[in-house]
Amino acid sequence: DGGITQSPKYLFRKEGQNVTLSCEQNLNHDAMYWYRQDPGQGLRLIYYSQIVNDFQKGDIAEGYSVSREKKESFPLTVTSAQKNPTAFYLCASSIDRRDGYTFGSGTRLTVV
Amino acid sequence: EDQVTQSPEALRLQEGESSSLNCSYTVSGLRGLFWYRQDPGKGPEFLFTLYSAGEEKEKERLKATLTKKESFLHITAPKPEDSATYLCAVTTSGTYKYIFGTGTRLKVLA
Repeated sequence: DGGITQSPKYLFRKEGQNVTLSCEQNLNHDAMYWYRQDPGQGLRLIYYSQIVNDFQKGDIAEGYSVSREKKESFPLTVTSAQKNPTAFYLCASSIDRRDGYTFGSGTRLTVV
Repeated sequence: EDQVTQSPEALRLQEGESSSLNCSYTVSGLRGLFWYRQDPGKGPEFLFTLYSAGEEKEKERLKATLTKKESFLHITAPKPEDSATYLCAVTTSGTYKYIFGTGTRLKVLA
C-alpha cells in the first residue's frame, strides 16, 4: 500500500546534539512538507519542497534543515540551534496544494 | 492576518447524540478548506476538501459544509470510534501552505 513512513516513532536528543528525522513516501507525490505540532497550537510549517533539489522555509524554519535529493525522501535535521525542539513532528505529501495531504504517523522528539 | 478558529475546543457526546463542529476563517482568497481526523499519537487522516460556498461532502456519519465565513462538520448519530481530534485547515491564493486550526477534541461515550 502507498503511504508515508516516518522513523523513528520516538527520538531522544541530548543538549547540543543534531538529530535527523526520516520521511519516505511511495505515493509519487511531488510536494512534501514538515510540520511541528505542539499542544494547544495548530500545526506549524517548518519546510516544504515542491520538487527534487528545491525547498523553501516555512514559518518556523530556524534551527532546522532539510534536503530533497530524491523524490521519495525528505529528511529533517533538528540542529542544536533549535532551542525548544521537544514536539511531535509530522511529514506530509500531496500531489499539489489543491489536494489534501497524506500524513505520516509522526515522530515524537524529546530533549533529555 | 489569515486565521482559522475552531470551536468548541472539546466536546463530549453520548453515543447517538448528533452535533456539529465549527471552523471559522478569515483569509484573503480562499482556495480550499480541508477537514482531517487525528487519533492520539498518530498523523492526521484526510476527510474532506471543500472549494466553494454551498458545497457539501459526506462520508459515513460525517457531513462537511462550507459558507463564505465558516465550515461545519456535522456528526450524525456518533459512535465511540468517532472519538478523535478534528482539524480544519485552509489554503489561500498564492501560497503553498495550509493554515491549521487548533482542532476540536471529540469524545463519544458509549
